[in-house]
Amino acid sequence: GESVGLHLPTLSVQEGDNSIINCAYSNSASDYFIWYKQESGKGPQFIIDIRSNMDKRQGQRVTVLLNKTVKHLSLQIAATQPGDSAVYFCAEKTSYDKVIFGPGTSLSVIP
Amino acid sequence: EPEVTQTPSHQVTQMGQEVILRCVPISNHLYFYWYRQILGQKVEFLVSFYNNEISEKSEIFDDQFSVERPDGSNFTLKIRSTKLEDSAMYFCASSERGGRNTGELFFGEGSRLTVL
Repeated sequence: GESVGLHLPTLSVQEGDNSIINCAYSNSASDYFIWYKQESGKGPQFIIDIRSNMDKRQGQRVTVLLNKTVKHLSLQIAATQPGDSAVYFCAEKTSYDKVIFGPGTSLSVIP
Repeated sequence: EPEVTQTPSHQVTQMGQEVILRCVPISNHLYFYWYRQILGQKVEFLVSFYNNEISEKSEIFDDQFSVERPDGSNFTLKIRSTKLEDSAMYFCASSERGGRNTGELFFGEGSRLTVL
């Protein structure tokens, strides 16, 4: 079956430090991966995406790494700020029109 | 900035009643989705919709659920006879593009459904 992500962990980081959020996926045929941020009471918000023909993609303060050999995805946030506190979901496009979310990681930034 | 809007923000209903959740996707988007999130849990795919028909649906999306695009702007999710376990936050999303290696989804703020 399709499965993305690990059991929901919680990550606490000090403001200014870098954060790394990890995700495992099981569908080796997936070609497109997305990271979403969800703040309390809001809908998921797109952060960054990556296609399977890439192993790294950078955005503003965020980097996504994809390792297809071990089916692993990570999101790195540089210089983490209090506004980064949220639940982060990796998501996987498993077919033409279906995006499956992982269980999420709660990031807490300590001022 | 264009956004996906959803109504109502919160609906309370009795078990067995019909509920319609409404969404206005971003105007130039062609692909539409419904997801749900039970409190504290992950975001679950329900259904995708393109060209006036369902593209994909999950096992959650049984015959109690239906979707419709009644006009050029609205996209609705109907639950015919609500059950207690339908209580969740329902998110609508839209995307400009489809395909296996593209298709960023833009989400609305959600409609919270409480079934009593």
